[in-house]
Amino acid sequence: EPEVTQTPSHQVTQMGQEVILRCVPISNHLYFYWYRQILGQKVEFLVSFYNNEISEKSEIFDDQFSVERPDGSNFTLKIRSTKLEDSAMYFCASTQGNTGELFFGEGSRLTVL
Amino acid sequence: EDQVTQSPEALRLQEGESSSLNCSYTVSGLRGLFWYRQDPGKGPEFLFTLYSAGEEKEKERLKATLTKKESFLHITAPKPEDSATYLCAVLNTGTASKLTFGTGTRLQVTL
Repeated sequence: EPEVTQTPSHQVTQMGQEVILRCVPISNHLYFYWYRQILGQKVEFLVSFYNNEISEKSEIFDDQFSVERPDGSNFTLKIRSTKLEDSAMYFCASTQGNTGELFFGEGSRLTVL
Repeated sequence: EDQVTQSPEALRLQEGESSSLNCSYTVSGLRGLFWYRQDPGKGPEFLFTLYSAGEEKEKERLKATLTKKESFLHITAPKPEDSATYLCAVLNTGTASKLTFGTGTRLQVTL
């Protein structure tokens, strides 16, 4: 069964460092998303991406965040200068159509020290 | 601002003991209400979509229902493998793609 894959599964970084989280969405999907979940809290929307551009973003997704689809298979989230409060599980998701029926990856746990 | 509130926070059932989880929502225009299952350390897994009041969906031991203010996830004769956190989320008609999630109900089913 096709699945969304994310790397790395866990990354530890120092405050102020740049981090890139990578995702390979399901191959025939057209809509891509990043969500995050701080430990013990809700899953929160960060950004959606369609047709090579951001279609929607939340207030959390400020100038330190960026997304890119550098080739036909990868979808990346970059955090330019990490802060302690960026520590969370980051989930990539994809869908074929613009519905709420998302296929999530297993997540990348980011720890900022 | 869309809001989703789930109750109870945690629920412990014995195998075979049926129960219901609640999701209350406030949204200016409901495009869809979604139920997801999340296992520890994993991403959410899609279960159901409900679009309008009165709609019901079933899958194995789970049945989801929707009214204008809330949704219920009914679990009939649960098994230990149903243990997980169940998440409710809404999609607003005014947004292209942003799901708003509740904090979830952590279900534990024991033998």
